[in-house]
Amino acid sequence: DAGVIQSPRHEVTEMGQEVTLRCKPISGHDYLFWYRQTMMRGLELLIYFNNNVPIDDSGMPEDRFSAKMPNASFSTLKIQPSEPRDSAVYFCASRTGRGRTNEQYFGPGTRLTVT
Amino acid sequence: GQSLEQPSEVTAVEGAIVQINCTYQTSGFYGLSWYQQHDGGAPTFLSYNALDGLEETGRFSSFLSRSDSYGYLLLQELQMKDSASYFCAVRAGTASKLTFGTGTRLQVTL
Repeated sequence: DAGVIQSPRHEVTEMGQEVTLRCKPISGHDYLFWYRQTMMRGLELLIYFNNNVPIDDSGMPEDRFSAKMPNASFSTLKIQPSEPRDSAVYFCASRTGRGRTNEQYFGPGTRLTVT
Repeated sequence: GQSLEQPSEVTAVEGAIVQINCTYQTSGFYGLSWYQQHDGGAPTFLSYNALDGLEETGRFSSFLSRSDSYGYLLLQELQMKDSASYFCAVRAGTASKLTFGTGTRLQVTL
C-alpha cells in the first residue's frame, strides 16, 4: 500500500485566498483524522471522520475551516479565507476500526505558508 | 478535557539508555500511545499500552501505570538515528481520537 497520500506537499498563498488540502487514506481504513502542527500549539486534532461521517469537529478553529469526506478514499480540508496564523503543517492520518492499538498512519503532511 | 506533560528536551549519549516520562490527566482513559517524529517527517507509531506494565518492542519499551496516570518510553542502545521528537498521546473519551502531548526532543550525541 502507498500509505496515506496528501497533496500538495507545500502551499504558499496570500492572505485572503482559499486553500484546499487533499488526503487519500489507506484503503480499508475506517477513520480519517486531520491535524495541524505548529511550534506554539503542537499537534492538534482538527476533525475526524468515521465511515465518511464527521464525528468530532471541536478542534476546528473557526468557521473559516471546513472539511469534507465525500467517499472512503478522499477528504479535503478547506480554509477560506486564509490568514497568516494558519501557517502550519497539516497532517492527515487514517486507521482501521479493528485492532488493539488504534495505530494511526500519518501522511507526509502539507506545509502551508500564508503571507 | 485531557492534559499531558512530558519533558521538552532530553540529551543522551549513543549506546546509552534514556527514559521519557509522560503524565496525564484525563477522564475515561483507554490507553497511552507513543509516536516518533523526525524533523520534517510525519509522526510514526511506536507503542500502545492499555494495561499496567511494560510492553517491549526491540530496543524500545513502554510502561504504563494507570493508578499513577503515568507512563514512560524507554529507549535502549541509543543510536544517532533515534534523534527525533517523541510524543505521548492518550486515547480517552470517545476512544476514537488521540490527544497528543507537546513532545520531547531527544538529541543523541557521540
